[in-house]
Amino acid sequence: ETGVTQTPRHLVMGMTNKKSLKCEQHLGHNAMYWYKQSAKKPLELMFVYNFKEQTENNSVPSRFSPECPNSSHLFLHLHTLQPEDSALYLCASSQWGQGDNSPLHFGNGTRLTVT
Amino acid sequence: SQELEQSPQSLIVQEGKNLTINCTSSKTLYGLYWYKQKYGEGLIFLMMLQKGGEEKSHEKITAKLDEKKQQSSLHITASQPSHAGIYLCGADMREYGNKLVFGAGTILRVKS
Repeated sequence: ETGVTQTPRHLVMGMTNKKSLKCEQHLGHNAMYWYKQSAKKPLELMFVYNFKEQTENNSVPSRFSPECPNSSHLFLHLHTLQPEDSALYLCASSQWGQGDNSPLHFGNGTRLTVT
Repeated sequence: SQELEQSPQSLIVQEGKNLTINCTSSKTLYGLYWYKQKYGEGLIFLMMLQKGGEEKSHEKITAKLDEKKQQSSLHITASQPSHAGIYLCGADMREYGNKLVFGAGTILRVKS
């Protein structure tokens, strides 16, 4: 059983829809992440939240909007997406501190298809 | 160019054979992580290496980090069908950061 749960597992949406991806971690970690995995491309880091504060935004288009209400929950709000945004979106969490980082623990991802 | 280069991109081995996957960077790596992924699923953590020259083993999988902390290898001994999947290396490129970047992955198939 994974300590990081993502819902939904699959999502099909039109370009004019608004949807949200949800991630919940039960590991007591203080950092959460969104990654995008497209076919034949390396995992791309999208956003990082440390102690609920966003510390990384890797030039992600504004049609992706993250939200981290507490250290256990992370959302990715989607609106007016493009077909090229179709991918596997992975959430991860870790315990982060100077000199004592834990590995990232990943959820099973949300397979997003934009039509 | 990618910050982490993995090789080979894909690999097909006969069951029982040994294999090695490499992960290379031109920069010092602060924390090197190996993950395994089944298609369409999340990443499963295998091992973490932090010190130059460090080596760790779990069952039939051994990972090493070179002294310069710029290259890591993952070695599987006597491969089995259960080893099939995508192997990814990830690394923190900053000494006190948590911005993990990943290689493109190595697809491993094991023939029975």
